[in-house]
Amino acid sequence: DTAVSQTPKYLVTQMGNDKSIKCEQNLGHDTMYWYKQDSKKFLKIMFSYNNKELIINETVPNRFSPKSPDKAHLNLHINSLELGDSAVYFCASSVTGGKSGELFFGEGSRLTVL
Amino acid sequence: GEDVEQSLFLSVREGDSSVINCTYTDSSSTYLYWYKQEPGAGLQLLTYIFSNMDMKQDQRLTVLLNKKDKHLSLRIADTQTGDSAIYFCAESMFSGGYNKLIFGAGTRLAVHP
Repeated sequence: DTAVSQTPKYLVTQMGNDKSIKCEQNLGHDTMYWYKQDSKKFLKIMFSYNNKELIINETVPNRFSPKSPDKAHLNLHINSLELGDSAVYFCASSVTGGKSGELFFGEGSRLTVL
Repeated sequence: GEDVEQSLFLSVREGDSSVINCTYTDSSSTYLYWYKQEPGAGLQLLTYIFSNMDMKQDQRLTVLLNKKDKHLSLRIADTQTGDSAIYFCAESMFSGGYNKLIFGAGTRLAVHP
């Protein structure tokens, strides 16, 4: 059973389109994250939600809108896609007050904007 | 500020030890982590160290923490070709009562025969 699953795994689209990436975790965690990994493999946090509430928002353009319908899901919607949005987007989850603060990552969604 | 730095590349011969180094900025980090990313995959936690420790050993992995210099290292003994991957150092940082992980740029480890 996959612990943190993201769909789609690959997404190719044109500039200006709107797209969504979905994430689900079955670990019973209460906190979920979106990270962006650029072509140089640099990994940067974008958002974090705890029990459906936004707790971290790292200066991300408002074209990016996360939505958490419940604590097991965190989706990412991107409007008016730009070339610079091409990256791998990783979802992750953790449990507040857990032993180590470890994040569990999904396998990533590779977005290519043409 | 938030900054975790690592060298970008390391090449070792199979059977040798690999040492990957990292420096971080937040002296209040409670935990420091090493994650491994294989091609086309997500990040997997290799090991972590609590900030009041200076060493942790887990089979072939040894983590050393120098809190005074904010320096973290990962040593892999008897490196194998299956260890070829990108290794990310990360520090924990509390923001608004919640923990977030700040990652370095990753060190690409290449193991050759």
